[in-house]
Amino acid sequence: KAGVTQTPRYLIKTRGQQVTLSCSPISGHRSVSWYQQTPGQGLQFLFEYFSETQRNKGNFPGRFSGRQFSNSRSEMNVSTLELGDSALYLCASSWTSGTIYEQYFGPGTRLTVT
Amino acid sequence: KNEVEQSPQNLTAQEGEFITINCSYSVGISALHWLQQHPGGGIVSLFMLSSGKKKHGRLIATINIQEKHSSLHITASHPRDSAVYICAALNTGNQFYFGTGTSLTVIP
Repeated sequence: KAGVTQTPRYLIKTRGQQVTLSCSPISGHRSVSWYQQTPGQGLQFLFEYFSETQRNKGNFPGRFSGRQFSNSRSEMNVSTLELGDSALYLCASSWTSGTIYEQYFGPGTRLTVT
Repeated sequence: KNEVEQSPQNLTAQEGEFITINCSYSVGISALHWLQQHPGGGIVSLFMLSSGKKKHGRLIATINIQEKHSSLHITASHPRDSAVYICAALNTGNQFYFGTGTSLTVIP
């Protein structure tokens, strides 16, 4: 089956702009999580969506938001971009049933803010 | 102090060696994940553990809940195992905390 896809793969924006990133999970996966990875802070959890509801949220300012659609596709939005938002943004879709757990990461969107 | 500490930060091994990467955490967890990230950024989820031990091929992950410690072992290491290995703790509030990663290089 197709893997997790993220679009766009690369993006350059200027400070103050806003950006929307998209993630399409593996078919059948209802949970989508978003992560930010920077050289200085490493991997950090942004939020998780399950069945169109935000289930968990990390410690990020309100400029970072997300949503999930009925087909499980998810978007995250960052408003009023700052230089420090330059990072690799990863999404992962997961599925769990009893003791079985599957999680797959997308290739990421590399965002550069200038 | 980070909620999740990994050691070592960097590791170089000869092909065929047995490798151990350690992870200690300070939060109460519902699960602990081991991730593998290759150069170029792609991340693979290796294991999710809440107790005991799991094995997949040459990879073994163990967790000791009382000691708040997990280990990832690689048997018969191979150059293709070269990657960054990241430990991630999911606390009881469903918040993820990540270690800073262990960069492994396996030399042929």
